[in-house]
Formats: sequence, structure tokens, C-alpha cells
Amino acid sequence: DAKTTQPPSMDCAEGRAANLPCNHSTISGNEYVYWYRQIHSQGPQYIIHGLKNNETNEMASLIITEDRKSSTLILPHATLRDTAVYYCIVSALNYGQNFVFGPGTRLSVLP
Amino acid sequence: AAGVIQSPRHLIKEKRETATLKCYPIPRHDTVYWYQQGPGQDPQFLISFYEKMQSDKGSIPDRFSAQQFSDYHSELNMSSLELGDSALYFCASSLSSESNTEAFFGQGTRLTVV
Repeated sequence: DAKTTQPPSMDCAEGRAANLPCNHSTISGNEYVYWYRQIHSQGPQYIIHGLKNNETNEMASLIITEDRKSSTLILPHATLRDTAVYYCIVSALNYGQNFVFGPGTRLSVLP
Repeated sequence: AAGVIQSPRHLIKEKRETATLKCYPIPRHDTVYWYQQGPGQDPQFLISFYEKMQSDKGSIPDRFSAQQFSDYHSELNMSSLELGDSALYFCASSLSSESNTEAFFGQGTRLTVV
């Protein structure tokens, strides 16, 4: 079973920051927080992941709370093409163990 | 960069037939995951392999089997197909020998059972 809780849907105005929350209160010490998104039934696309420090790449930023029980994915300037279902997954991703999708958040970027 | 390759991209089968889906991981990746995604649903984990051995098992029906071969590609075999097996099937690969790694997904196989 998924170990994460996300809001089912969110809206964001184009050009504004999209902040997507995720709760993972039962995360284990060796588990990372991964974010993926899926657009129009395409294969899930990797966005970013982190262990305990905040991370940033060309797509997004990931803020993980100090107790690691929750995190926020930030898309700094959302575009219409960012409309997708966003999934937060916690996993050690080692040796094929436990990489399970939860319900995800459907983000709609509005013009 | 090379990505995860799945074949075929589309497959139409009749009820009670057999289907084989193939997944070619990113070069050097040693771990493969299979997922099933029905219409309007989230991807459901089916099974995973690490170094050619089954690693974890999810909600995979007994009619389905899978294996990972010596070249690390994987095949999902589906027998006695039912209408409810119509879905997108995704494969992902990762490099488990690295502790800080990502999984990358293929574009999926759309199976339609008629």
C-alpha cells in the first residue's frame, strides 16, 4: 500500500508557483521521497527526489520538513503543459522493493 | 539518452488468448518494475525483478507471469485474457546498486482485450 497522502486535486494560475503537498508520516530512515507526474496516460515522468535536504533541479524544487513527515513539490512558474497527475512516492528504491503509487494530485494549470 | 523501451506499443487480443509484453531497461539498469493502469486509475504495482530474481510482488493475477532475462530485459506473460485486463502496462527500470537512484518509465503498452 502507498505510504503517502496527497490532495486529490489542485488548481494553479499559469505563471504562478504550484505548491503540491504530500504527507508521509510513516517514512523510514532509509526511504527517499520521489515525485513523478503523468500526462495524458503517458509513462510517469521522473521529476525530483530527496532524502532529507531540500533539492532543486531544472524542473522543480522539493522541500522536506525536518521531521521528514511531509514534503512539498514546487513548480516555480507553472505552464499549461504542467497540467498532470502528480505522484509522491516514498521508497528506498533498492533491489526492486516497494515502489508503489498512491492516488496522486491532479494539478490543473489555468490560463 | 537511452530510455526504457516497451514493445509492442499497442496490442489487441481476444478473450482467452495469451499476450506477451516486453520491456528493455536503460543500459546498466539491473531492476525492472511492472505496473498496470486501468482507465481512470493510478498505476498498480504488479511485480519487480532485481538481477533476474523476483524481488517484490503486488496485485498480479495468477494468470500473469513475468521474468527477467540475462540481458536484463523483462517479459510479462498474460494468459486466459479477460476483458478487465484491458489497460496500460508500464515498465520501469532502475540501478539498485546505487543507493541514491531514480526509476525511469517506458511509454507503456496499451492492451485491449475484445
